Amino acid sequence: ETGVTQSPTHLIKTRGQQVTLRCSSQSGHNTVSWYQQALGQGPQFIFQYYREEENGRGNFPPRFSGLQFPNYSSELNVNALELDDSALYLCASSTRQGQETQYFGPGTRLLVL
Amino acid sequence: AQSVTQLDSQVPVFEEAPVELRCNYSSSVSVYLFWYVQYPNQGLQLLLKYLSGSTLVKGINGFEAEFNKSQTSFHLRKPSVHISDTAEYFCAVILFSGGYNKLIFGAGTRLAVHP
Repeated sequence: ETGVTQSPTHLIKTRGQQVTLRCSSQSGHNTVSWYQQALGQGPQFIFQYYREEENGRGNFPPRFSGLQFPNYSSELNVNALELDDSALYLCASSTRQGQETQYFGPGTRLLVL
Repeated sequence: AQSVTQLDSQVPVFEEAPVELRCNYSSSVSVYLFWYVQYPNQGLQLLLKYLSGSTLVKGINGFEAEFNKSQTSFHLRKPSVHISDTAEYFCAVILFSGGYNKLIFGAGTRLAVHP
């Protein structure tokens, strides 16, 4: 059974640029959630995708957007990057039936200069 | 609103000593509670979870936690720690809302195990 994978592992961007982060969910999982973890803090919920649609969103601006594909993999897109977007971005997958238990990937560390 | 408070930002302890990491939550509805561990430069790994049933929950790596509804607590314990337990530990509660769920995390407790 393959766990949750994310790419790339690290990324450096400059202010104003756009970035795309990718996530492959664990085998059999059809729900993907994204979290932002700033340095020294706990993860914060960005949004959740199920059946290729966003079905829940945290307190993040519209420049944070996402996609889910038919194979349940997902992308997180961030436009107009700001310095405060520097963080570890975590993807978590779950089944719809067992959605209370989320399994996390290793994360993508984004640095915005 | 649901929230999670981890009472200690850092816990230093010597190897083979017992440890308790404290977590309190606030919620007006039934709760599902979790502990995750994050090793340096890695993602989150599920240690244990409380969904229902026995209030004493056993997890991986010898950790256990006790759900106390009256004190709204879910403290994590291990009777004897190892150097390899050095990591950041996060307590979380899950919020179900409008057909989706999200984890609400505490700020984390850094466990430092010294030889």
